[in-house]
Amino acid sequence: GENVEQHPSTLSVQEGDSAVIKCTYSDSASNYFPWYKQELGKGPQLIIDIRSNVGEKKDQRIAVTLNKTAKHFSLHITETQPEDSAVYFCAALSNAGGTSYGKLTFGQGTILTVHP
Amino acid sequence: DGGITQSPKYLFRKEGQNVTLSCEQNLNHDAMYWYRQDPGQGLRLIYYSQIVNDFQKGDIAEGYSVSREKKESFPLTVTSAQKNPTAFYLCASSIEGSANTGELFFGEGSRLTVL
Repeated sequence: GENVEQHPSTLSVQEGDSAVIKCTYSDSASNYFPWYKQELGKGPQLIIDIRSNVGEKKDQRIAVTLNKTAKHFSLHITETQPEDSAVYFCAALSNAGGTSYGKLTFGQGTILTVHP
Repeated sequence: DGGITQSPKYLFRKEGQNVTLSCEQNLNHDAMYWYRQDPGQGLRLIYYSQIVNDFQKGDIAEGYSVSREKKESFPLTVTSAQKNPTAFYLCASSIEGSANTGELFFGEGSRLTVL
């Protein structure tokens, strides 16, 4: 099955700096890669996603890049703000054992702290 | 407002007792999911249901049971057979069962502590 590794587990930056979180995946057939943000005491929320037919996607201060050959993808946050502090999860969508169900496998999470 | 409601938010249980976590959604989504969240381990899939009256085991189904009698409800029972039940449990839904549309909508979670 799919295996997703996420690094770093914790990341501390100063307000205004950039933050980068990296993930690798094992199943070359995986075709969809979302990123979720989980604020304290809440459920995760989708912030950006990318499909395997594109290499980069941007949404204001957030961008995601995908390298299919190397099987890794990254989240980039520019001009970080204290409200960016949260746990971030990457995930990869692969086919679950030949069924029609697309299964999401999550990384271990990164705790991002942005210091004012 | 549309969303997913999980209850209770906090739950304490004695060893050997079963406990049921509630998950209700009013998004009219076909698919619903239960994940377990432990520190440093990400989100692991317990059970999922693509449609009413159907559900499938995820990666860590042992010691858990579910039902899907109504589209909007997907309760999770943590049985006494679950060896390490203390965790944060997240319920989610998506428009389609395949999850190929991408977005999962999560509830705010239920924290279960076994005393």
